[in-house]
Amino acid sequence: QITLKESGPTLVKPTQTLTLTCTFSGFSLTTSGVGVGWIRQPPGKALECLALIYWDDDRHYSPSLKSRLTITKDTSKNQVVLTMTNMDPVDTATYYCAHQERYNYGDGFDYWGQGTLVTVSS
Amino acid sequence: QSVLTQPPSASGTPGQRVTISCSGSSSNIGSKYVYWYQQLPGTAPKLLIYRNSQRPSGVPDRFSGSKSGTSASLDISGLRSEDESDYYCAAWDDSLSAAVFGGGTQLTVL
Repeated sequence: QITLKESGPTLVKPTQTLTLTCTFSGFSLTTSGVGVGWIRQPPGKALECLALIYWDDDRHYSPSLKSRLTITKDTSKNQVVLTMTNMDPVDTATYYCAHQERYNYGDGFDYWGQGTLVTVSS
Repeated sequence: QSVLTQPPSASGTPGQRVTISCSGSSSNIGSKYVYWYQQLPGTAPKLLIYRNSQRPSGVPDRFSGSKSGTSASLDISGLRSEDESDYYCAAWDDSLSAAVFGGGTQLTVL
């Protein structure tokens, strides 16, 4: 059974760096075809894919946020970490991590965490 | 502004068929697979359609997807009250080298 769970601060101040951790079980990020992505959703707004990391360490970032994002994986801990620098109130959103299995579902995210709401405010 | 364009809202009555459109470009829908997600209020999105028209196990066959050129559609037949939800299309964009989503369509069952 695949599960993912996001953790990190619920409140950050403007200009601070956000660090979010996705802890997962039921799969390994060393398995060919597997990836984990971070997707966010501001209140009442659309989904936005921020970053993706794959089993082979291939990484992709949202072009508009690339300079502020870093995604890493720790396969021994079954974790994926996203850091976002220079946080702004417009970054207030629910942040989700999600699983991809390219050989089965292509670029689809078939399992999602529950999401964590991050508020940016002084 | 989302890379993929969806109508902000759609509606139908129980039993009806509803179609939600998703428009993109040659760098995404035109050359890549389309995915559809259902997001019930207060919950994480759920994969509804993958690779244009495939359904994960457990998704009713009332939901179907199709693609033509740089546009895609999600059809919901035999509309039910529990289908009231937000629906998002998504695709990989080769120019951006990133996954992109539509702006979402809020479906109301009247």
